[in-house]
Amino acid sequence: EDKVVQSPLSLVVHEGDTVTLNCSYEVTNFRSLLWYKQEKKAPTFLFMLTSSGIEKKSGRLSSILDKKELFSILNITATQTGDSAVYLCAVESNSGYALNFGKGTSLLVTP
Amino acid sequence: DGGITQSPKYLFRKEGQNVTLSCEQNLNHDAMYWYRQDPGQGLRLIYYSQIVNDFQKGDIAEGYSVSREKKESFPLTVTSAQKNPTAFYLCASSIAGSGRRNTGELFFGEGSRLTVL
Repeated sequence: EDKVVQSPLSLVVHEGDTVTLNCSYEVTNFRSLLWYKQEKKAPTFLFMLTSSGIEKKSGRLSSILDKKELFSILNITATQTGDSAVYLCAVESNSGYALNFGKGTSLLVTP
Repeated sequence: DGGITQSPKYLFRKEGQNVTLSCEQNLNHDAMYWYRQDPGQGLRLIYYSQIVNDFQKGDIAEGYSVSREKKESFPLTVTSAQKNPTAFYLCASSIAGSGRRNTGELFFGEGSRLTVL
C-alpha cells in the first residue's frame, strides 16, 4: 500500500526563522512528488518534483527530492506570518489515477 | 476567470438526510476528484473520474455516490449510509486526459464544510 508520511505534524516558529518540512514516501512505480500550501480552504500548488537532487525554488521557498532515500524536504527561509498554513505533500505513481496525500504539517509563524 | 466552484460553502443537515455537494469547473479538465479532509488526517480520496460517464471509487467511497454526466460537473452525494459525514470536502480537477493515467498538478475548489447535527 502506498504511504506518504510528513513530519513534524505541527511546528511553531518565530518570524525570521528557517524551517524544514519533511516528507517520506513508499509508493510503487513513483512518478512525481508535489507540495501544496493550504491556508484556509483551497490548497495551492507550490512545487512538483520528479528528479533527484534538482532544487526547485520560488522566493523564500525551496524543495528537493531524494529518490534513493525516498524523501523530500520543503525549506522556508526568513519565515513571515503569512507563511502560516498547512503544508501538504502528495505523491503520484505511474500505476495510479490520483494523488496520495500525507497528513500535512501545520506551521504557525509568530510575530 | 477559469477555476473550480464548489457550493455550498457551508451546509448543515440532520442525521439520516442525503446531501449533494456541487462541483463545477471551467478549466476544460478531463479528470475530477473528491477528497475529504478531517483534522489531522490530510486529504483522503473519495471518488475520481478520468472522463465523462466514468468514475472510480477511491479509498473511502462507502456512503458516498457521484455522477459525471458533463465534463464540467462532478457532484458528490453524501448518503445516510455514511457513518461520520461531518467533514471538509474538497473537489479538484487535473488536465489528465483519456488514456493518460497520471494526475499531475491538481486545481482545488474552495471546499464545502458539511456539519451533520
